[in-house]
Amino acid sequence: GENVEQHPSTLSVQEGDSAVIKCTYSDSASNYFPWYKQELGKGPQLIIDIRSNVGEKKDQRIAVTLNKTAKHFSLHITETQPEDSAVYFCAASGNNRLAFGKGNQVVVIP
Amino acid sequence: DADVTQTPRNRITKTGKRIMLECSQTKGHDRMYWYRQDPGLGLRLIYYSFDVKDINKGEISDGYSVSRQAQAKFSLSLESAIPNQTALYFCATSDLGGAGFNEQFFGPGTRLTVL
Repeated sequence: GENVEQHPSTLSVQEGDSAVIKCTYSDSASNYFPWYKQELGKGPQLIIDIRSNVGEKKDQRIAVTLNKTAKHFSLHITETQPEDSAVYFCAASGNNRLAFGKGNQVVVIP
Repeated sequence: DADVTQTPRNRITKTGKRIMLECSQTKGHDRMYWYRQDPGLGLRLIYYSFDVKDINKGEISDGYSVSRQAQAKFSLSLESAIPNQTALYFCATSDLGGAGFNEQFFGPGTRLTVL
């Protein structure tokens, strides 16, 4: 089945700087790649997603890039703010389900 | 009111006990999922259901069972709980969508401790 790996596991950034989280996937048939944000004590919530027919998608300070040849996709957060501190999960579609990465703890230092 | 609700929110039980976690949704979605979250392991799929008559095993279904009582309700049972089932459990829903996969909406989670 699909295997998703997420790097780094923890990322600390100064407020105002950019943060980048990278994920790799194994199944070349995967065609949907969402990113979820989980705040403390809450369930994950979708922040952005991308389908295989595009290479980049942007929503305000958040962007996702996809490289299907290399089978990796990345989340970019610009001008980070304290409220961006959370755990971020990437996922990839495969075999009728989503496979999630192990998560990345992002800490924005004021 | 929340679109996806889970009960109970917290539960402490003993080894060998049977326990049921319940999930209800008001989003009208056909697809429902149960995930387990452990520190450092991310979200792992236990079971999923694409409609009332459809039940599918996920990657870690051993020791668990589910029941899809209605479109809006999906329950997860531990027939005989064991300590390594201590975890945070999430229910999620999604609609079918023309492109195959769509956003999954997660409940607030149930924290289960098995002593």
